[in-house]
Amino acid sequence: ILNVEQSPQSLHVQEGDSTNFTCSFPSSNFYALHWYRWETAKSPEALFVMTLNGDEKKKGRISATLNTKEGYSYLYIKGSQPEDSATYLCAFQNNDYKLSFGAGTTVTVRA
Amino acid sequence: NAGVTQTPKFQVLKTGQSMTLQCAQDMNHEYMSWYRQDPGMGLRLIHYSVGAGITDQGEVPNGYNVSRSTTEDFPLRLLLAAPSQTSVYFCASSYTRGGSPLHFGNGTRLTVT
Repeated sequence: ILNVEQSPQSLHVQEGDSTNFTCSFPSSNFYALHWYRWETAKSPEALFVMTLNGDEKKKGRISATLNTKEGYSYLYIKGSQPEDSATYLCAFQNNDYKLSFGAGTTVTVRA
Repeated sequence: NAGVTQTPKFQVLKTGQSMTLQCAQDMNHEYMSWYRQDPGMGLRLIHYSVGAGITDQGEVPNGYNVSRSTTEDFPLRLLLAAPSQTSVYFCASSYTRGGSPLHFGNGTRLTVT
């Protein structure tokens, strides 16, 4: 079982504030690190797929960084809005293409 | 394009019954996979396939069979349903074997009584 851990499990943020959370994964046999956004009653939707150490990706107010040598990735939300409320999942893909998810960080944005 | 189509959306089985969850994609995706979602445990990989004719086990494969006879289809078979298999099941596919984002189906809610 691949050990993909996300912290914190949940967080509350005031509208307009910025926040970030962590995904840690094995530092060996790395192929890619995925981030997904999962809204209630919907299916997960892809945010980023990162493959290179030091990679940074950005989509609107959401960005992510990747450190494959130490096995962690950060997801940042700048200026949180109520529509950012969701569970954010990271997934580690190894060299056998097996893709394993963390349990997620649930973000609640308070108006 | 329909994307990833999962059927059925809901199913109730009795212990010991068998059934097949269907998954089809029309995007010519190489990679397909099945996950189950249980409260507090996130998505756990059951089986995956990197191409037609190739399947491999994920984290929780026991009690499930898969096959990939075509690029488009990746059915998941429950041979002898058990209450522990009560869960929400998601099929997902991606364009390449690795490094491509997953596209998810809408999920199948399965209850085994």
